[in-house]
Amino acid sequence: EPEVTQTPSHQVTQMGQEVILRCVPISNHLYFYWYRQILGQKVEFLVSFYNNEISEKSEIFDDQFSVERPDGSNFTLKIRSTKLEDSAMYFCASADRGPQETQYFGPGTRLLVL
Amino acid sequence: GQQLNQSPQSMFIQEGEDVSMNCTSSSIFNTWLWYKQDPGEGPVLLIALYKAGELTSNGRLTAQFGITRKDSFLNISASIPSDVGIYFCAGQPGGTSYGKLTFGQGTILTVHP
Repeated sequence: EPEVTQTPSHQVTQMGQEVILRCVPISNHLYFYWYRQILGQKVEFLVSFYNNEISEKSEIFDDQFSVERPDGSNFTLKIRSTKLEDSAMYFCASADRGPQETQYFGPGTRLLVL
Repeated sequence: GQQLNQSPQSMFIQEGEDVSMNCTSSSIFNTWLWYKQDPGEGPVLLIALYKAGELTSNGRLTAQFGITRKDSFLNISASIPSDVGIYFCAGQPGGTSYGKLTFGQGTILTVHP
């Protein structure tokens, strides 16, 4: 069964450093999302992406964040200058938005900012 | 923004018991989804609901999309130890926010053998 994959599974970085989280969505999907989950809390929407542009973003997704689909398979989330409070699990999701959309999630990247 | 209230926050049950959890919202959602999350993993879709009043089953799981479109419940029958995990409801509002999922706070389920 096709699945969303994410790399790396874990990343430790120093505050102020840039990180890039990578995702390979399901191959025939056209809609892509990033969510984050701070330890012990609920999953929160960050951004949605379609047709090579952002469709919607949350208040969390400030100027430090950016997304890109550099080729036909990868979907990336970049945090330019990480802060301690960026420590969280970051989940990528993809969907094939027909009459009934269902989002499928990747296993996540655990980001720890020191 | 839209908020989902999920209850209960946690449940401790014996193997074989039935479980029920629900989500309510002050605003309408066009789609309700139920996910299960194991520690350190991503949410895995259990059931998707697309029409008000819809009742859908997936094995021992049954979920319903409330008629007002502001609530949903999930039932698990005859629980087993592997049902342990965190269960999240999620709603999609439709319209210009079609894809964005709003998640509930989660229900932590513990099943004692």
